[in-house]
Amino acid sequence: GESVGLHLPTLSVQEGDNSIINCAYSNSASDYFIWYKQESGKGPQFIIDIRSNMDKRQGQRVTVLLNKTVKHLSLQIAATQPGDSAVYFCAENTAGNKLTFGGGTRVLVKP
Amino acid sequence: GAGVSQSPSNKVTEKGKDVELRCDPISGHTALYWYRQRLGQGLEFLIYFQGNSAPDKSGLPSDRFSAERTGESVSTLTIQRTQQEDSAVYLCASSLERGATEAFFGQGTRLTVV
Repeated sequence: GESVGLHLPTLSVQEGDNSIINCAYSNSASDYFIWYKQESGKGPQFIIDIRSNMDKRQGQRVTVLLNKTVKHLSLQIAATQPGDSAVYFCAENTAGNKLTFGGGTRVLVKP
Repeated sequence: GAGVSQSPSNKVTEKGKDVELRCDPISGHTALYWYRQRLGQGLEFLIYFQGNSAPDKSGLPSDRFSAERTGESVSTLTIQRTQQEDSAVYLCASSLERGATEAFFGQGTRLTVV
């Protein structure tokens, strides 16, 4: 079936460095691709989304890149901070309603 | 409250018992989702409501699982004859409208079946 998955389960990054989290998807019909952040003991929190007809979108300290040719999505976090330590999920929104999540990448920020 | 509220926050139940998990979405949000998250894993889609209707029940793992929503507000996820493999965190989310990419999640209910 259709799925959204991730390349790396854990990413360790030095505080102040940039982080790149990757995601592969298989459903070309998705309308939007989204990144969520989940801190320990909490529900996921929306970070940023990108429409399927775009290839780049920037937010505050974050940039999402979409490469439809290879069905790849990435989240770049600039100047990673301790508060960025969390599990990051990519998700896709298909047919306007159902959010399907990938397996997640844990980001550990080292002081 | 301003956010999505779930109750109970923790539930320990004996194998074979029925449990009910409650979700109070953000007022005015028409879309409501239930997900299951096993320890260290991703979010498994269970069911989606638009208003009080559930157009997509495809994620319910078995007929022991059911959910309803009333008044376009509160939703209840019921698991009958619980099994140990049902142990997980059950997350509820709501969004303002169909197609919204920003869903707001509750803290979840941690279910432990012993």
